[in-house]
This record gives sequence, C-alpha cells and structure tokens, in this order.
Amino acid sequence: QSALTQPASVSGSPGQSITISCTGTSSDVGGYNYVSWYQHHPGKAPKLLIYNVSNRPSGVSNRFSASKSGNTASLTISGLQAEDEADYYCSSHTTRNTWVFGGGTKLTVL
Amino acid sequence: EVQLAESGGGLAKPGGSLRLSCVASGFTISDAWMSWVRQAPGKGLEWVGRIKSKTDGGTTDYAAPVKGRFIISRDDSKSTLYLQMNSLKTEDTGVYYCATADYGYDWGQGTLVTVSS
Repeated sequence: QSALTQPASVSGSPGQSITISCTGTSSDVGGYNYVSWYQHHPGKAPKLLIYNVSNRPSGVSNRFSASKSGNTASLTISGLQAEDEADYYCSSHTTRNTWVFGGGTKLTVL
Repeated sequence: EVQLAESGGGLAKPGGSLRLSCVASGFTISDAWMSWVRQAPGKGLEWVGRIKSKTDGGTTDYAAPVKGRFIISRDDSKSTLYLQMNSLKTEDTGVYYCATADYGYDWGQGTLVTVSS
C-alpha cells in the first residue's frame, strides 16, 4: 500500500489560512469516510485533529477543519498561530483492512 | 485522562527480536481497539498494525512490511498491549507509538527501537 500523497511543505503568516491536501486512490481515501489528520511536534506524541473525514475530537480547536472530495482529502487551518508550526499527517482506512499514512507536510508559520 | 506508556525499546541486532509493551490507564482497555504506529528517523508516520477488542473478535491486521514478522497481542487483565518484533531489519529502526483505535485517537510518547549490528 503506497503512502498517501501530501505536499512536503506549506507556509503561511499568522492569521492566514492554509490548506493541506492528501491524495490517495479509490482503495483508500476515495473508498471510505475514514480519513484522519494528525499534528506532530517532533519529539512529542502525535495529536489527532480530525477523524472520519471531518469530525473533531473534543478539545481540538475549531480553527482546524477538514473535508474530502473523491480521492483527495483536505485539512484547513484558519487563523494561523505560531504554535501551529508542526508536521501534519493524514491517514486512511484501506481495502486491505489496514491504515495508510501520508508522507507528512511541514507547516512553517512565517 | 487516557495515558499510554510504551516501554521495551532498545538496541537489537538484525535478525533478532524485541518485545514492546504499552500500559494503558484512564480507560477500559478491554473495550478498545489498539494499534501500533512507528516513525523511522527523518521519515513520516507508518501504521504497523492493530488488534481489535476481544468483544469484536480480538483479530489483528498488519502492514505489509511487518506481516509475518511482528505480532500484536493484548492482556486486558494487565491493561497492556504488546508488540513482539521478530526477524528484525535495520529498516525497523524508529520510534514506536501505541495508540487507541485503529487510527490513533490517543497516543503514547513512544519508545525508540534501534536495529543495528
């Protein structure tokens, strides 16, 4: 199962919005409404931001939102803050009853 | 508060074995599907595998790179998840995280595994 495709890096200024894409196939992203997004500060535990395409766990800021269209999922972060600078990963359930992650996107807050 | 604490990481030789443990607290582990995710140095997250709750059959699924070499098990009486890693390869080096659900709802801090001769 190949990793989902994410841009290697994105950047934005404080207060702006950015969107990270996550492209898979009909065997993963396109085939299920089981896409998750994570924030990972190096050296710390990853944090779940979104599950089941667009649901936020309790305690996650509503500045984080997500959606899916076809084989591509997207994460939008609005009102960028310095502490949002981190690595972001998507993941999806697959037809093999496994999960696959994206390659990760490094977000730089300018 | 959900807490997951991994242990058992360390140095192993290629072809060797290692067993990781993950002690859970703050929730009823017997009700939970649990998973392992790893991160090689300088690389992204990689899903390793998952074990369902006993109520849902207790079955396991694994990523292709570890299938046949790694075994996930659970001892709900000890609130502990295990990852038995056999026939280790240098590419198995990385930080190993345990997590709740098969997609990682809550995560531990991870334990470092180094496979090197």
